Amino acid sequence: GIQVEQSPPDLILQEGANSTLRCNFSDSVNNLQWFHQNPWGQLINLFYIPSGTKQNGRLSATTVATERYSLLYISSSQTTDSGVYFCAVGGATNKLIFGTGTLLAVQP
Amino acid sequence: DGGITQSPKYLFRKEGQNVTLSCEQNLNHDAMYWYRQDPGQGLRLIYYSQIVNDFQKGDIAEGYSVSREKKESFPLTVTSAQKNPTAFYLCASSIDIWDSLAKNIQYFGAGTRLSVL
Repeated sequence: GIQVEQSPPDLILQEGANSTLRCNFSDSVNNLQWFHQNPWGQLINLFYIPSGTKQNGRLSATTVATERYSLLYISSSQTTDSGVYFCAVGGATNKLIFGTGTLLAVQP
Repeated sequence: DGGITQSPKYLFRKEGQNVTLSCEQNLNHDAMYWYRQDPGQGLRLIYYSQIVNDFQKGDIAEGYSVSREKKESFPLTVTSAQKNPTAFYLCASSIDIWDSLAKNIQYFGAGTRLSVL
């Protein structure tokens, strides 16, 4: 099956800093989503981005499908950005395969 | 409000007991999913259903059972055969996955934390 690797596994930032999270996947995909899991466990959709670039406020994402990776950019980070960021990919079956996540801590 | 409701938030299971986790959605989505999350890990798929009265095993189905009698409901039973049930369980749904033009964006409930007494 498709393998998903996320890096870095952990990240500590000062408020206001920028960061880039990476997701590598081992095969072509029809679906790629980025999620933020808050400290209470709720998973929030950030982007549906199997290819191309999208922006939503301070967040943006780029997927280069031909090279099998996706990047999530967080600019001017805030303490509320803390949590775990997951990348999940889906192939022909429409099932999502999740990476192990990046744990982000933003310090004031 | 449209969304996915999971209940209860916290659940305790005694040894040898079956417990059922509820998942209800009012998004009119066709597909529903159950995932398990262990501490510090990603999500793993237990079961999924693409249509009423049909469901398929995911990667870790052993010790679990599901039913899909109604479009809006997809309950998960953790049976006594599941020897390590302590985990965070998340339910999700997505729109018509049979439509190749549809975006299979999955939306999640708030989860149920299951512990063993």
